Amino acid sequence: QQQVKQSPQSLIVQKGGISIINCAYENTAFDYFPWYQQFPGKGPALLIAIRPDVSEKKEGRFTISFNKSAKQFSLHIMDSQPGDSATYFCAASVGSNYQLIWGAGTKLIIKP
Amino acid sequence: EAGVVQSPRYKIIEKKQPVAFWCNPISGHNTLYWYLQNLGQGPELLIRYENEEAVDDSQLPKDRFSAERLKGVDSTLKIQPAELGDSAVYLCASSSYPRVSTGELFFGEGSRLTVL
Repeated sequence: QQQVKQSPQSLIVQKGGISIINCAYENTAFDYFPWYQQFPGKGPALLIAIRPDVSEKKEGRFTISFNKSAKQFSLHIMDSQPGDSATYFCAASVGSNYQLIWGAGTKLIIKP
Repeated sequence: EAGVVQSPRYKIIEKKQPVAFWCNPISGHNTLYWYLQNLGQGPELLIRYENEEAVDDSQLPKDRFSAERLKGVDSTLKIQPAELGDSAVYLCASSSYPRVSTGELFFGEGSRLTVL
């Protein structure tokens, strides 16, 4: 019940296209859902995060869509660029908890 | 502002040898984490510190792993003796808030360990 399931494992998108990465969870107590971006040889960095009181959050070309009833959330990258090529991790936590539960990651490749 | 600094970046050792990793968090960040990341997987928490106190070390393999955070600033993670399965990237992260849902985690670049 503590798992966060992420898909796909890898994704190839043409430059200018839309990249979509999905995550699903079981624990309805989760109340914080961040996405982290990790480039090779670097540590993960927070990209965008959402709480379940909103269904969507947008920051530039990055959007999180949240479906509370389906217990799913997704990351959309609009107008994908080669510089977006990285591994993306979704995660979740409970406010009373101090630990992030991480997805397995999606390796995104944007073809020029 | 300097980010989280880790050293060494790379370490290759023979099995059964000891190894130590050092982390300097962002100034003022009282919360410090050590994570293990295997290739193609998400980070796995090893230990979390609030100042100098290890408040969550339930996932630290205490038979061979140890950590300390003297004076509540820098931290060291030690493995003794190292095993082949310990080959991974060891990530240090810090935050200005104890709860992840109220603060961003800032990660260092990691220390890549290869055990031969």
